[in-house]
Amino acid sequence: NAGVTQTPKFQVLKTGQSMTLQCAQDMNHNSMYWYRQDPGMGLRLIYYSASEGTTDKGEVPNGYNVSRLNKREFSLRLESAAPSQTSVYFCASTPVESFGELFFGEGSRLTVL
Amino acid sequence: GENVEQHPSTLSVQEGDSAVIKCTYSDSASNYFPWYKQELGKRPQLIIDIRSNVGEKKDQRIAVTLNKTAKHFSLHITETQPEDSAVYFCAASPYVSWGKFQFGAGTQVVVTP
Repeated sequence: NAGVTQTPKFQVLKTGQSMTLQCAQDMNHNSMYWYRQDPGMGLRLIYYSASEGTTDKGEVPNGYNVSRLNKREFSLRLESAAPSQTSVYFCASTPVESFGELFFGEGSRLTVL
Repeated sequence: GENVEQHPSTLSVQEGDSAVIKCTYSDSASNYFPWYKQELGKRPQLIIDIRSNVGEKKDQRIAVTLNKTAKHFSLHITETQPEDSAVYFCAASPYVSWGKFQFGAGTQVVVTP
């Protein structure tokens, strides 16, 4: 049981390049989330998917797109990376639709030059 | 939307002393308040949570208190140990949102032997 798995763990991009962060969970959770973590700002929600087939914007969605490919997988895409998107990205999932513990992946450190 | 403020941003304590972290929130609809611990380079992990129908909850050396009238909640760590050194995040979530937690900015706790 791997929990929440994210790839890649590290990535360096040039401004304007695109990339996709992959996330998969094997806990049969319904809801999945993408957060970014920046120093002094805590964790901020980018997008979330309450259940398979649905996605919604969080607090900081600009510059990102997501795809809930199936119940297990939730990807985050940066179409044209900007230095302001340099951050640590965490995927998370919860077993129920409202309350519930967030299970985080190990994080993906992205640097945009 | 919800706004969560967390204080202090850094906290240095002697081993064996107590540590207290305080958070305030703005949305009276919030009724779930988790605390996450993040060790250096690791993923955040839930350590304790409290729901709005409860004023206090304890788990060994950790306790959380909630004052809904004043819209604040606190984490208390007693008999601190070096392994308590980490960043702690508070969060708040309203019932109707799908795990859309609003996180505080975090508190860096350093326990010195």
